[in-house]
Order: sequence, then C-alpha cells, then structure tokens
Amino acid sequence: GIQVEQSPPDLILQEGANSTLRCNFSDSVNNLQWFHQNPWGQLINLFYIPSGTKQNGRLSATTVATERYSLLYISSSQTTDSGVYFCAVEQGFGNEKLTFGTGTRLTIIP
Amino acid sequence: KAGVTQTPRYLIKTRGQQVTLSCSPISGHRSVSWYQQTPGQGLQFLFEYFSETQRNKGNFPGRFSGRQFSNSRSEMNVSTLELGDSALYLCASSLMPTGDLTSGNTIYFGEGSWLTVV
Repeated sequence: GIQVEQSPPDLILQEGANSTLRCNFSDSVNNLQWFHQNPWGQLINLFYIPSGTKQNGRLSATTVATERYSLLYISSSQTTDSGVYFCAVEQGFGNEKLTFGTGTRLTIIP
Repeated sequence: KAGVTQTPRYLIKTRGQQVTLSCSPISGHRSVSWYQQTPGQGLQFLFEYFSETQRNKGNFPGRFSGRQFSNSRSEMNVSTLELGDSALYLCASSLMPTGDLTSGNTIYFGEGSWLTVV
C-alpha cells in the first residue's frame, strides 16, 4: 500500500517562531488533508489540499502532487499550536480510504 | 451545528469481553468511518459506511465489526477483546463517501473513545 512519511517526527520551538512540516507519499493521490490532533485526542481538519496552495490565517499548505509531497507552514507559533500534525492521503480507484502519515509532534514553548 | 459525537469517551474492559462504541455523525452526513490509533501502529483505517452499506474495510480481524443505521448513526463492535485492542477509537463523518472528489467533502472527527483492555 501507499507509504506516507512525515518529517520531522518531533519539533520544539519557541513561541513566535515559524515552522515547516513535510509529508511525503509514495504514490499518486486523489486527496490529501492535514489534521491537527489536540492534547485531548480530537483531530481537527486544517486543509483539504490535493494540489496547489491554501492559506488560513497563520497556517498555509502547499501540495506538489507531481513530486508527491506536501508542506504545512505555521507562522508566529502559539502555544495552542502544540499537538500532533498528521497528513492523510486517499488514492481512489477502489482504494478509497484515508491513509495517515506518521505524524509530527510540535511543542511550542512560551 | 453539533459535531461528531462518540460515546462512551472512556471505558475499561477485561480480556475476552466485547465492547460496542457509538458514533453520531454531523446532521446530514451520511458517511461514517472508524479509525484505531495506537502508539505503535499510528492511525489505521477500520471501516467506512455510507447509507447503511459498508464501502471499505481495513486490515483488521473479524472480531472488529460495525454497522450503520438509517439515521446514519454508526456502531462498532469488538468481540473477544485482547490487550492489543487498547487504543483510541476515532469516528469521522463526511457528507459524501471518502473518494468523492467534491472539494467540500471535508472530514470531521469526533473526540474519540479511549478503550483500555486489562
């Protein structure tokens, strides 16, 4: 099946810093989404981004489908940004389920 | 509108018992998916239901089963519990099934059910 790898696995930053999280996938995909898992376990959908660039406040994401990667940018980090960030992909063509990446644990220090 | 509701939030079961978890999707959503999250295996797909039909099933043993009712609420059941079944079980709902390429087909997750098997 498709492999989804995220880097770095852990990231510790001072409040106010910027960060870039990467998601690499091993095959072509129809769908790619970024999620933030808060400390209580809930996954919050950040972006639906199978290709192109989107921005939402301090967060933005870019997916280059032809090169099989996606980037999530967080600017001016806040402590509430702490948690685990997952990318998830879906291939379609009879394999229509989300495959999640390994996650990046982000810790923002005040 | 109310989000995805999962019950119970926390439960402890003994090996060999069975458990039923419930998920109420966002009003109007007809697709419900279930995922298991463990520290070792990460987030893994269990199954997806759409309009009461199972569309996809992940690579889990037959002890894991589910169903969806006419009101789109879904339940998953795990029989003969093993220690390794201890996990966070997450339910997600969306308007259309996974694989629908409509850009507005956002997936919303519930807060999860934390299952501990002792």
